[in-house]
Amino acid sequence: SQQGEEDPQALSIQEGENATMNCSYKTSINNLQWYRQNSGRGLVHLILIRSNEREKHSGRLRVTLDTSKKSSSLLITASRAADTASYFCATDAPNQNFVFGPGTRLSVLP
Amino acid sequence: EAGVAQSPRYKIIEKRQSVAFWCNPISGHATLYWYQQILGQGPKLLIQFQNNGVVDDSQLPKDRFSAERLKGVDSTLKIQPAKLEDSAVYLCASSLEWRGGLNEQFFGPGTRLTVL
Repeated sequence: SQQGEEDPQALSIQEGENATMNCSYKTSINNLQWYRQNSGRGLVHLILIRSNEREKHSGRLRVTLDTSKKSSSLLITASRAADTASYFCATDAPNQNFVFGPGTRLSVLP
Repeated sequence: EAGVAQSPRYKIIEKRQSVAFWCNPISGHATLYWYQQILGQGPKLLIQFQNNGVVDDSQLPKDRFSAERLKGVDSTLKIQPAKLEDSAVYLCASSLEWRGGLNEQFFGPGTRLTVL
């Protein structure tokens, strides 16, 4: 069964704006990871957040995790055309292996 | 550092034919994963190896799919016979080790399979 579900399915913004994507999951997790996939660089790991962490930053990326709501969000600040890609959350849960969500397709318009 | 290598990059076959994909992980990475990604969906884990051993193959359709990782390095994934619904991108990934998923996975470029 699908563990992570991203929301929205698709998002279009202007360059310079912020983009927020959400991920909801169903069972308790060990950690949650965000990946980006575009035609140029394939699937690339962005950030990992452990179940006992609430927020992590990496450059223009900010990830939050709310285990009580079983949800995570990925914020990309000051977006660039190069951020155009599909973004996936992936969960690692006890007795369940790595599961990717269906992804959010982000388009950053110049 | 060289990344994960996969070949071929593209493959077109007729249904009921056989096909094999090859993956060479990053040197020193003990864990290797094969994923199937159907267009518009997220990757689905097919099988995970830790060195030579299989950690998880619960989602591998074992009646037609097989995978091996000889000597804990390269791996091959085979489909025999292929069905139309096997059309997808097959991704190989590796990580230093598997410790409850704490290590990031590095993905290869994938093999795009089209079954006609």
